[in-house]
Amino acid sequence: GAGVSQTPSNKVTEKGKYVELRCDPISGHTALYWYRQSLGQGPEFLIYFQGTGAADDSGLPNDRFFAVRPEGSVSTLKIQRTERGDSAVYLCASSLIGGGGTGELFFGEGSRLTVL
Amino acid sequence: GENVEQHPSTLSVQEGDSAVIKCTYSDSASNYFPWYKQELGKGPQLIIDIRSNVGEKKDQRIAVTLNKTAKHFSLHITETQPEDSAVYFCAATPSKNYQLIWGAGTKLIIKP
Repeated sequence: GAGVSQTPSNKVTEKGKYVELRCDPISGHTALYWYRQSLGQGPEFLIYFQGTGAADDSGLPNDRFFAVRPEGSVSTLKIQRTERGDSAVYLCASSLIGGGGTGELFFGEGSRLTVL
Repeated sequence: GENVEQHPSTLSVQEGDSAVIKCTYSDSASNYFPWYKQELGKGPQLIIDIRSNVGEKKDQRIAVTLNKTAKHFSLHITETQPEDSAVYFCAATPSKNYQLIWGAGTKLIIKP
């Protein structure tokens, strides 16, 4: 079956613009995660969904970042008033059951965001 | 909060030799320790994991060891092959078990 799909694969935008990044998880996976990865670093947790609700959004850096998963499947990460420091690869992962400690995370290939 | 340190940052080994990557963690409540492999332009992929009630786990050429007392765990790859070249990440789960905390990664280079 298909893996986790993320679009766009690359996004270049100007400082101050609004950006949406989309994640289509593996069918049937109830848990969905967003991570951010800067060059030469490990992924950094942003937000975790169990079904439609955000179970933990404590990793979102500030109120410019928001994520939704309205039907418990596709998720969109939204970034308002982008800043150069937002440039990174945004990774989405899904798992069959919730909890990084109880299920393998399946990652997409990421969306590379560049803010000029 | 949990902090995971990983070393070395780069490791170069001759094809056929063994490679060892080490990680330490700070939160004694952490109970799950996965290792992910990331190839260029791809997302991380789980290669092996270990839970806190086990000291060692092996899967073909890959093994992981865990020392809970010292709060460190290691990845061992034997008989390395060119396709093992990648960046390897260790991770740990703190008390919130859905929130993986990752090391900074080790770039493994297999020399032919």
